[in-house]
Amino acid sequence: KQEVTQIPAALSVPEGENLVLNCSFTDSAIYNLQWFRQDPGKGLTSLLLIQSSQREQTSGRLNASLDKSSGRSTLYIAASQPGDSATYLCAVQGAQKLVFGQGTRLTINP
Amino acid sequence: DAGVIQSPRHEVTEMGQEVTLRCKPISGHDYLFWYRQTMMRGLELLIYFNNNVPIDDSGMPEDRFSAKMPNASFSTLKIQPSEPRDSAVYFCASTLGSAEQPQHFGDGTRLSIL
Repeated sequence: KQEVTQIPAALSVPEGENLVLNCSFTDSAIYNLQWFRQDPGKGLTSLLLIQSSQREQTSGRLNASLDKSSGRSTLYIAASQPGDSATYLCAVQGAQKLVFGQGTRLTINP
Repeated sequence: DAGVIQSPRHEVTEMGQEVTLRCKPISGHDYLFWYRQTMMRGLELLIYFNNNVPIDDSGMPEDRFSAKMPNASFSTLKIQPSEPRDSAVYFCASTLGSAEQPQHFGDGTRLSIL
C-alpha cells in the first residue's frame, strides 16, 4: 500500500527566503507526482505535475524534483512571499488514484 | 472557464438524516473523483468514475455511503443515515483522460453532523 509522508508538517519563515518542502513515498511504481496548494476553506490547486519519466518541473518561482528510485520529491520555493502562505500537499498517482501526504502548512512572515 | 462546482458549500444536519452532496465536473472531463478530508486521515479517495461508470469504490467507508453519476455533468454522494464521524470536507475533482493530466478540485462541501 502506497504511503506518502511530508516533512515538515509546518514551516514558518521570513519573507524573501528560499525554502524546500519534502515528500517521500514508499512504492516507486507511480505514474506521476503532483504538488498542490490548498488555501483555508478552499479546494486544491495543482501547482506542478512531474511524470514518472521526468526529473523536475518548473513554474515561476516553484521547482519540483522527483527521484523515483529513492521515493523522494522536493518542492523548492524561491524568494518566498506572504501570498505563498498555504498548505502544500504532495500526491503520487498510481493508475488513476492519487495518494496524498498530510501536507506542510507554510507561513511566510512579512 | 468554470471549474468543478460543488454544492452545498456547507451542510449542518442532525445524526440520522440523509445528506446529498452534489458535483458538476468541468465540461469534457471524463474522470470524476470524490474525496474526503479530515484532520486525522488527511485526503482519502472514496470513489471514482470514468465516463459515468464507477470504477473503484474501495474507499467508500461503508454501506451508508453511495455515489452516482447519472450523466457526464452531474454526480452525487449520498450518506444515509449520517453519523457524527462523517463530519469532514468532501471534495469532488475531475480530469481529462490519462494520468498525464492534473486533477481539478472543487471548493468542497464542509459537512457537520450533530
